[in-house]
Amino acid sequence: NAGVTQTPKFRILKIGQSMTLQCTQDMNHNYMYWYRQDPGMGLKLIYYSVGAGITDKGEVPNGYNVSRSTTEDFPLRLELAAPSQTSVYFCASRSTGGTDTQYFGPGTRLTVL
Amino acid sequence: DAKTTQPPSMDCAEGRAANLPCNHSTISGNEYVYWYRQIHSQGPQYIIHGLKNNETNEMASLIITEDRKSSTLILPHATLRDTAVYYCIASDSNQFYFGTGTSLTVIP
Repeated sequence: NAGVTQTPKFRILKIGQSMTLQCTQDMNHNYMYWYRQDPGMGLKLIYYSVGAGITDKGEVPNGYNVSRSTTEDFPLRLELAAPSQTSVYFCASRSTGGTDTQYFGPGTRLTVL
Repeated sequence: DAKTTQPPSMDCAEGRAANLPCNHSTISGNEYVYWYRQIHSQGPQYIIHGLKNNETNEMASLIITEDRKSSTLILPHATLRDTAVYYCIASDSNQFYFGTGTSLTVIP
């Protein structure tokens, strides 16, 4: 199993551009999450999904959109990139909503100039 | 989810036990205590979790006080590779709230 994979690893965007961060998991997990981590800070939850077709907002959803058309994929969309969205983005998955652990991807480092 | 409080940083000598405290005084009865760590800029890695009883696995031990208002993560024989930021999370839901954690430095 590859676990949780994220692409791209790095990206530089100009203000106002849009992009999609890709996240795929091959563990057949129902739950998937997107976090952002600013320098020196902990992770903040952006969006999460409890299954295909179901998504919900986390702590910091503004400026982002998600979709969950399959169990495996949970892309994160930035429509109008702003410097405040410069961050490292982590995707995670979890098999159930109980006490199962979250497995994290390696992250995408995004810079908006 | 209950708020957790951790010291911002700690040092530990290599080979000694590292004891990382966490305060979660407002924890509810259904909330588990989870510990994750993040090495450098990698994705966080699960360590251990528990509800009431003390737990042990191949990585660490988790000691939860009887009133559940605080807990301690114990790395029994710290190595240089244990240098990381350690996060304590109290949660009973789909959402995890990571604070700023404790930056543990293992000193040779």
